[in-house]
Amino acid sequence: GAVVSQHPSWVICKSGTSVKIECRSLDFQATTMFWYRQFPKQSLMLMATSNEGSKATYEQGVEKDKFLINHASLTLSTLTVTSAHPEDSSFYICSAGQTLSYTFGSGTRLTVV
Amino acid sequence: AQSVTQLDSQVPVFEEAPVELRCNYSSSVSVYLFWYVQYPNQGLQLLLKYLSGSTLVKGINGFEAEFNKSQTSFHLRKPSVHISDTAEYFCAVSFGDDKIIFGKGTRLHILP
Repeated sequence: GAVVSQHPSWVICKSGTSVKIECRSLDFQATTMFWYRQFPKQSLMLMATSNEGSKATYEQGVEKDKFLINHASLTLSTLTVTSAHPEDSSFYICSAGQTLSYTFGSGTRLTVV
Repeated sequence: AQSVTQLDSQVPVFEEAPVELRCNYSSSVSVYLFWYVQYPNQGLQLLLKYLSGSTLVKGINGFEAEFNKSQTSFHLRKPSVHISDTAEYFCAVSFGDDKIIFGKGTRLHILP
């Protein structure tokens, strides 16, 4: 079946630095990938839709300059959290696939200290 | 407004007992419905989905769900739970585009 790999699985960074999270579709091509954010014991919040070869579409309230998304190939999308602050600490999850048949990555736990 | 609601934040159930996790949605258009399971510090795994056809959908791990259009519900059921079913369960809805909107989740506690 479709496999989505997310890396790293966890990362700790200092406040003010930037962190890049990768999402790869291992055995299929994904023209669209989605990035979610999940706070502890809460649901997933869609942050943005990553489109291969074009700009990402951000949900209302998500700062596009802070959460940079790049989808340069059909198998890779990256989320860069710029100038990270402790409030950016969260669990970030990507998903990819065909319409109505999405596979989720295993998530990245980001802790900003 | 289009939304998905999981009324129960936590559901405790004794091992080998049946369980039902509730999910309701609000939409003026056709919907596609999903149930996902999330184990601690992991991504989401699809349990089952309803796209069309039979309203009773069978998924993995012995789970099933029934789409009820008149009640706008898609409740998840399992006749006999196991300790390994302890996890967070998310109901999700797609309103015809590529986006999937998630409910707030229900934590299933299996009691020995």
